Amino acid sequence: AQSVSQHNHHVILSEAASLELGCNYSYGGTVNLFWYVQYPGQHLQLLLKYFSGDPLVKGIKGFEAEFIKSKFSFNLRKPSVQWSDTAEYFCAVNAGSAFGNEKLTFGTGTRLTIIP
Amino acid sequence: NAGVMQNPRHLVRRRGQEARLRCSPMKGHSHVYWYRQLPEEGLKFMVYLQKENIIDESGMPKERFSAEFPKEGPSILRIQQVVRGDSAAYFCASSPRTGADEQFFGPGTRLTVL
Repeated sequence: AQSVSQHNHHVILSEAASLELGCNYSYGGTVNLFWYVQYPGQHLQLLLKYFSGDPLVKGIKGFEAEFIKSKFSFNLRKPSVQWSDTAEYFCAVNAGSAFGNEKLTFGTGTRLTIIP
Repeated sequence: NAGVMQNPRHLVRRRGQEARLRCSPMKGHSHVYWYRQLPEEGLKFMVYLQKENIIDESGMPKERFSAEFPKEGPSILRIQQVVRGDSAAYFCASSPRTGADEQFFGPGTRLTVL
């Protein structure tokens, strides 16, 4: 069975600080990896995804993530955060099947608070 | 282009009543997923449906919960005889086709059981 760990439950940063949110997964086969964001009062939106190819993935709003297969990790990074990045961030995985439509397994989320 | 719609956004039920949650996928999407988010937890998969078929219900509780996605109309998640432990946010997601690489999420329905 797949599992996802997000060790940072709540992160507080000042504007312009650099961000790295950890995500580790457990699964024996090929995986697809995702980061979703949930802004206050809004639904989940996709930040970025990794299926194959370049392990450094760039997403929207200046976010990027690096897939390190040997560490089973997919950490999210942003060099300089803004107040508007305050949100909850979820890492998710699904099995990399040929059909593509597989259930997502989510981490418990990291609440990010940016102080102006 | 409307996104995934869920209604109601908030639902209050007393113990023992039934809850019906509706999800209208994005236009052209024929795959629907339901997830549940308990307080202080991540989203947990419940069920995956295509039109008129349940593909994967491995996350559904064995009793009181059911889901359908008829040929016409929204997908329905039905919870019979609700208990306090059913209080959660229920999210629906849709994707357009086999091989699609992203699930689009709705705003969720927050169920409160008194």
